[in-house]
Amino acid sequence: QVQLVQSGAEVKKPGASVKVSCKASGFTFTSYHIHWVRQAPGQGPEWMTIMMAGGGSTKYARKFQGRVTLTRDTSTSTAYMELSSLTSEDTAVYYCAAERPNDHYMDVWGKGTTVTVSS
Amino acid sequence: QSALTQPPSVSGSPGQSVTISCTGTSSDVGSYDRVSWYQQPPGTAPKLMIYDVSYRPSGVPDRFSGSKSGNTASLTISGLQTEDESDYYCSSITSSGTYVFGTGTKVTVL
Repeated sequence: QVQLVQSGAEVKKPGASVKVSCKASGFTFTSYHIHWVRQAPGQGPEWMTIMMAGGGSTKYARKFQGRVTLTRDTSTSTAYMELSSLTSEDTAVYYCAAERPNDHYMDVWGKGTTVTVSS
Repeated sequence: QSALTQPPSVSGSPGQSVTISCTGTSSDVGSYDRVSWYQQPPGTAPKLMIYDVSYRPSGVPDRFSGSKSGNTASLTISGLQTEDESDYYCSSITSSGTYVFGTGTKVTVL
């Protein structure tokens, strides 16, 4: 069964960092692009970044450049997204989603990880 | 990159048709036939409903259809059913190789 399993909810203080994991199963992890999308309460999805299949090159939405770090562990088929310098505006559900290269759509989604930033 | 513009809400009675618009620019929707649509019931992850403007993934009912003209894409739900009540979002690739989502539309079945 093709699925992405994300790590559990996090509560962080302003200024801290959070690292969310996304474990793939049922498909060849390195053959898919992995997107990260977040959704603040009551808002629509916001695309953040992508790690490409194969060599793992990355691309970021301008507003997240310099604050997001993507890594992956191919031995465990797990992708990681770390967001630093958190503020209350980063409170959101963070999703990972998979794309077959050149499809340009996300057809497998994780269930989401709730990140709450509060002092 | 600004979000694609969608109407906040549309509604219809069971059996009727509703259409959701998604307006972008010549740097995204207007330049690529890579518009996708997602359905998102409350508290769940988005689900792909349409890709490449008008193609349905396996398992998506054929009452869902998509189209595009210029900088505006549209999702039509024909023969509206109660289970179609949800939030819907469009998405497109952009000229910089990033992605952008729409502002979202709540579909209400009366």
